Amino acid sequence: GDSVTQMEGPVTLSEEAFLTINCTYTATGYPSLFWYVQYPGEGLQLLLKATKADDKGSNKGFEATYRKETTSFHLEKGSVQVSDSAVYFCALPKAAGNKLTFGGGTRVLVKP
Amino acid sequence: DTGVSQDPRHKITKRGQNVTFRCDPISEHNRLYWYRQTLGQGPEFLTYFQNEAQLEKSRLLSDRFSAERPKGSFSTLEIQRTEQGDSAMYLCASSFGLAGAYGELFFGEGSRLTVL
Repeated sequence: GDSVTQMEGPVTLSEEAFLTINCTYTATGYPSLFWYVQYPGEGLQLLLKATKADDKGSNKGFEATYRKETTSFHLEKGSVQVSDSAVYFCALPKAAGNKLTFGGGTRVLVKP
Repeated sequence: DTGVSQDPRHKITKRGQNVTFRCDPISEHNRLYWYRQTLGQGPEFLTYFQNEAQLEKSRLLSDRFSAERPKGSFSTLEIQRTEQGDSAMYLCASSFGLAGAYGELFFGEGSRLTVL
């Protein structure tokens, strides 16, 4: 069945460091792909998305490119801030599009 | 605040008791989802409504769990005879139309259940 695998955390970085969180997926066809973020004490929120192969999603300085050849959707940010400390989830919808399958989440801690 | 709201935010109960959680989705959203999230894990799908119709239930949703959305607006998730393994964060999400069909969900802050 459809599944998502993402790197385990926690990932601890200094401010202004480069962040990469790996995400690979297994799915039928070419579904949309998503990154959700959960800041401390808040609900999950959509960070960015890509709806087809080779699309690049971007938001708040984060980027992810949908790579069908490697079935990957890695999240990157060139210069992280303390406010980026959160848990990041890679996700894809089921073929019927009715629900999301999430990865296990990657906790990121950015230190000043 | 016009986001998804959940109540209560935290519930502590003894094993064997019943608990009920409420979710108020964004008003114009016709789809409503329940997920469960345990510590260190990603959310797991439980069930999904389109308007008042419950269209899908996960195998995770044992017969002790029941969800309703009587008028296609708010929803309740009831857990009967709670067990310690039910301790988790219960998340509600909503969406509208094609946005939901392509995975763009709006989540509430969750209801944390602790079963002693």
